[in-house]
Amino acid sequence: QVQLVESGGGLVKPGGSLRLSCAASGFTFSDYNMTWIRQAPGKGLEWLSYIVTSGTTIYNANSVKGRFTISRDNAKNSLYLQMNSLRAEDTAVYYCARRATVTMSHCFDFWGQGTMVTVSS
Amino acid sequence: QSVLTQPPSVSAAPGQKVTISCSGSNSNIRDNYVSWYQQLPGTAPKLLIYENKKRHSGIPDRFSASKSGASATLGITGLQTGDEADYYCGTWDSSLTAGVFGTGTRVTVL
Repeated sequence: QVQLVESGGGLVKPGGSLRLSCAASGFTFSDYNMTWIRQAPGKGLEWLSYIVTSGTTIYNANSVKGRFTISRDNAKNSLYLQMNSLRAEDTAVYYCARRATVTMSHCFDFWGQGTMVTVSS
Repeated sequence: QSVLTQPPSVSAAPGQKVTISCSGSNSNIRDNYVSWYQQLPGTAPKLLIYENKKRHSGIPDRFSASKSGASATLGITGLQTGDEADYYCGTWDSSLTAGVFGTGTRVTVL
């Protein structure tokens, strides 16, 4: 069955860095575009970053441009999010999600369980 | 921060119907497909609807959706206690070249 398992979250000081990972299984990872989405405590969903199958095209939300970098390793069935210059407002649960391929919709048919990132001194 | 606007909450009695609106602009909802997600408490979001009105695999026909211009609507009929959740619309924004989500709507079954 399809599984996405995020890891790498934790407590980090403002200005610090963190690298999140998302391990994919149960499907051909290299066939799917992937994304990172976050949710601050008690808040809504925020789309962050998107990467195509080959890794050659990436889109980022303005809120993370220049600070966060999405990448993938298809040989390792893994998606990553390198987060630098972290701020208190980056505190959130971070989800990786798979873009559905059966549709032209920009939508996500499988999500991981999320990993919590807390930015605090 | 969200570019898509939803009502904060809607409620109805069991068995009744609720509708959730999602208002955007030409660059997102009007020009792109809309999807809808359900987020039960403490869990990751789940895809309900894609391509404006198509139900994802396993989603009952109590859930329906539509789009008109720069607005979209999700409807839930035969409301059940298990439908209590947060619901989000989502789409692509051609101007931002980024995905966008709605502000989210909490559905309460009275």
